[in-house]
Amino acid sequence: GAVVSQHPSWVICKSGTSVKIECRSLDFQATTMFWYRQFPKQSLMLMATSNEGSKATYEQGVEKDKFLINHASLTLSTLTVTSAHPEDSSFYICSATGTNTDTQYFGPGTRLTVL
Amino acid sequence: QKEVEQNSGPLSVPEGAIASLNCTYSDRGSQSFFWYRQYSGKSPELIMFIYSNGDKEDGRFTAQLNKASQYVSLLIRDSQPSDSATYLCARGGSNFGNEKLTFGTGTRLTIIP
Repeated sequence: GAVVSQHPSWVICKSGTSVKIECRSLDFQATTMFWYRQFPKQSLMLMATSNEGSKATYEQGVEKDKFLINHASLTLSTLTVTSAHPEDSSFYICSATGTNTDTQYFGPGTRLTVL
Repeated sequence: QKEVEQNSGPLSVPEGAIASLNCTYSDRGSQSFFWYRQYSGKSPELIMFIYSNGDKEDGRFTAQLNKASQYVSLLIRDSQPSDSATYLCARGGSNFGNEKLTFGTGTRLTIIP
């Protein structure tokens, strides 16, 4: 199957700082990437969908000015959590799909802790 | 009503027995369904997907879809301790897994040696 990586795998930051998370498709061209968030003992909640070269589509209730998504190439999408606060601490997972994939493939996730 | 509902469990099954996981969905227009396994602290991994009514088998796993009753299930035969995980049911649209998925809350499964 296709491989998706995320970097970093975990990050700890101070409240008020910004954090950037990268999602890369390693062996296929990702025309669409999805960003999910998962709080402890809860399910995955879709935050936004990004298509290469286009603005991301955010789900209801997700602040687009706080969670900046860039999908500038067919192998890379980034999620920037701006002015992070402790309530943003969560497990952030990306997934990617392409023209030749039959489903979306998940990255290993990034655990964000905001102090 | 939640779009995708699962019994949160925990579900405990003896090793070697059949584990049965169930999922219901509210949108009759749903076209595709997915079962993911998620170990603690890890991202989900796809077990199998099903699009058509009936059964689909892959090794020890069998997915069952009944669109009239709006439910999908996953059977795990010969359960192993390594099957202990949270199982997530998700529904997709007409573009199968290439569009956004809506996940249930997951069922925590424990296989008892």
